[in-house]
Amino acid sequence: EAQVTQNPRYLITVTGKKLTVTCSQNMNHEYMSWYRQDPGLGLRQIYYSMNVEVTDKGDVPEGYKVSRKEKRNFPLILESPSPNQTSLYFCASGYRGDVFYGYTFGSGTRLTVV
Amino acid sequence: GQQVMQIPQYQHVQEGEDFTTYCNSSTTLSNIQWYKQRPGGHPVFLIQLVKSGEVKKQKRLTFQFGEAKKNSSLHITATQTTDVGTYFCAVRDSGSARQLTFGSGTQLTVLP
Repeated sequence: EAQVTQNPRYLITVTGKKLTVTCSQNMNHEYMSWYRQDPGLGLRQIYYSMNVEVTDKGDVPEGYKVSRKEKRNFPLILESPSPNQTSLYFCASGYRGDVFYGYTFGSGTRLTVV
Repeated sequence: GQQVMQIPQYQHVQEGEDFTTYCNSSTTLSNIQWYKQRPGGHPVFLIQLVKSGEVKKQKRLTFQFGEAKKNSSLHITATQTTDVGTYFCAVRDSGSARQLTFGSGTQLTVLP
């Protein structure tokens, strides 16, 4: 089944404790992206990757890191989480070559930083 | 990225009534996409519109792209409780053809 898999689904952590949210897709998509969703603010892009080893900042990159060492994986790293990073996070992927039929989203990771 | 305004933010309708959400941009869009997110779920791609004046239908859903390619609408005829969720439009950034900027969404509640 074509899908984007995020883990974990839920995470509660303490301020300053490094964490990684994993994202993997099995559709051979070149493009992957991370979004955060907050009430009333819609989906805001954190980082995106056009292909392996190619990443760039989205609209709200502060406090986050990403890497794209393999085509299928695009982990989101919070080196020193803070309470304002409490949010619902989505990974998405799209594009095979020049064909774009819309993003496929993962099921989301609800992160709470206390 | 490009800015897109989506209205209304919330809409409550009685089951069987129609519903429309609108997306507006101050700049010409190369295309527009629509997504639906059920409560507790993730966004799911519905459709992409690329041509000026384009109209597409999916059962009770009608999607339109404005003639000037600066606005779009999603209309649901005779809503059902299964239509509950948040509907987002998303536009492709003119500078990076693969980037999408999402509208803030319209949260639809359908009262039985």
